[in-house]
Amino acid sequence: EILMTQSPATLSVSPGESATLSCRASQSVSSNLAWYQQRPGQAPRLLIYNTSTRPTGIPPRFSGSGFGTEFTLAISSLQSEDFAVYYCQQYDDWVFTFGPGTKVDIK
Amino acid sequence: QVQLQESGPGLVKPSQTLSLNCTVSGYSITNDDYFWSWIRQPPGKGLEWIGYIHHSGSAYYSPSLKSRLSMSVDSSRGLFSLRLYSLTAADTAIYYCVRCLSRNWFAPWGQGTLVTVSS
Repeated sequence: EILMTQSPATLSVSPGESATLSCRASQSVSSNLAWYQQRPGQAPRLLIYNTSTRPTGIPPRFSGSGFGTEFTLAISSLQSEDFAVYYCQQYDDWVFTFGPGTKVDIK
Repeated sequence: QVQLQESGPGLVKPSQTLSLNCTVSGYSITNDDYFWSWIRQPPGKGLEWIGYIHHSGSAYYSPSLKSRLSMSVDSSRGLFSLRLYSLTAADTAIYYCVRCLSRNWFAPWGQGTLVTVSS
C-alpha cells in the first residue's frame, strides 16, 4: 500500500494571498495523482486529476504540479470559499490511498 | 448531470451488518468506463477508500476490509450497494458513494450518510 503524506497539516493564509500545499508518496505514483477540496460540512469535490488537469468548472487559480513522489497544489489569490481541507489521492496502485489532508484556514 | 444519493440506517449495533444503497441518477450505471465506489470518513478524520464495483460485477475491495465486505450492483434500478459485516465502533463514519473513472479519480461524490455503530 502506498502511503501518502501532506504538509503542512494546517496553513494559515490571508484572503487574496497564495498558498502552496505539498503531497508526498512513499513510492513513485507517476502522474497518477488527484486533489480534492472539502469545505466544512460538505462532501469532497475533485479539483485536479492526472497531477495538473482541472475538471470543467474548477477555477484556474488552482494548479497542480509534480511527478513521481513529490506533488504540489498551488492556490493563487485565495477567495473565502477556498478555506477548506485539501486531500491528495494516488491511483497508481489498485489500492487507492489518500493523504491526511491540509487545512487552509484564515489568517 | 450525474447525482449520487446514499440511503441506509444511521445507527447500527456492534456485531451487526451495515447495508447501504447508492442511487445513481442522470447517468447510466452500465457505462463501461466507470466504477462505482464507496469511501468513508470517520468524524473529524481523513478519507478511506473502501472498494468499488463495475456494472459487470467485478469488484475490488480494500485489503483491510475485504474479509467483512460485499458489494453489488442492480443495473435495472440504477443503484449499487455495500454490505459491511461484524461492525465495531471503528466503523463509525460518514459513508460516501462516488463515481470512479476507469479506476482513477473520484467524481462526483454523494452527499454522504453518517453511520454510527453503537449499542
